[in-house]
Amino acid sequence: DTGVSQDPRHKITKRGQNVTFRCDPISEHNRLYWYRQTLGQGPEFLTYFQNEAQLEKSRLLSDRFSAERPKGSFSTLEIQRTEQGDSAMYLCASSLGRGTREQFFGPGTRLTVL
Amino acid sequence: GQQVMQIPQYQHVQEGEDFTTYCNSSTTLSNIQWYKQRPGGHPVFLIQLVKSGEVKKQKRLTFQFGEAKKNSSLHITATQTTDVGTYFCAGPSYNFNKFYFGSGTKLNVKP
Repeated sequence: DTGVSQDPRHKITKRGQNVTFRCDPISEHNRLYWYRQTLGQGPEFLTYFQNEAQLEKSRLLSDRFSAERPKGSFSTLEIQRTEQGDSAMYLCASSLGRGTREQFFGPGTRLTVL
Repeated sequence: GQQVMQIPQYQHVQEGEDFTTYCNSSTTLSNIQWYKQRPGGHPVFLIQLVKSGEVKKQKRLTFQFGEAKKNSSLHITATQTTDVGTYFCAGPSYNFNKFYFGSGTKLNVKP
């Protein structure tokens, strides 16, 4: 399968714990996005990488959230000291090239914070 | 800040009826994308519109981009049960570094 993959697919954690999610984009895609989606809402932008550089980060994102994309390949999203409000589907998407291109989404990681 | 709004939130139709969802942006967009998300699935790209007044068709789906490039619509003719899902529009920021998604229109088709 050459699509975008995410791991894990589901994560249940207790409030206050740290969690880390991984995204493997389509191999030649230089652009990588993280989104958060709650029930009945559209994907909400979190952060954007072009190759290994993090070029954009949502102002809504607290400092408990951090993301990396070492070597411009896979990316990780870490949430520290999770809160119940962090419960959501975390989606990763990748695309190729300059300007805007179609985004290929992964299956997402569903986070439940108890 | 930049916002993208969609109406209606839900639409229930009988199979064979038409369906339309509308998308409005608070700012002029360089382009607009449409995605479909099946229940339990992830968003899948449908199309991108770039030019003012552009109309594109994909079989029973017709996409329009407004003259002012601030609104767009998706029309499905003669819906089928395979059309069930949530349809999202998305517009980029001025520097293309982020996308603003609408809240989506959830389509249910009764056979």
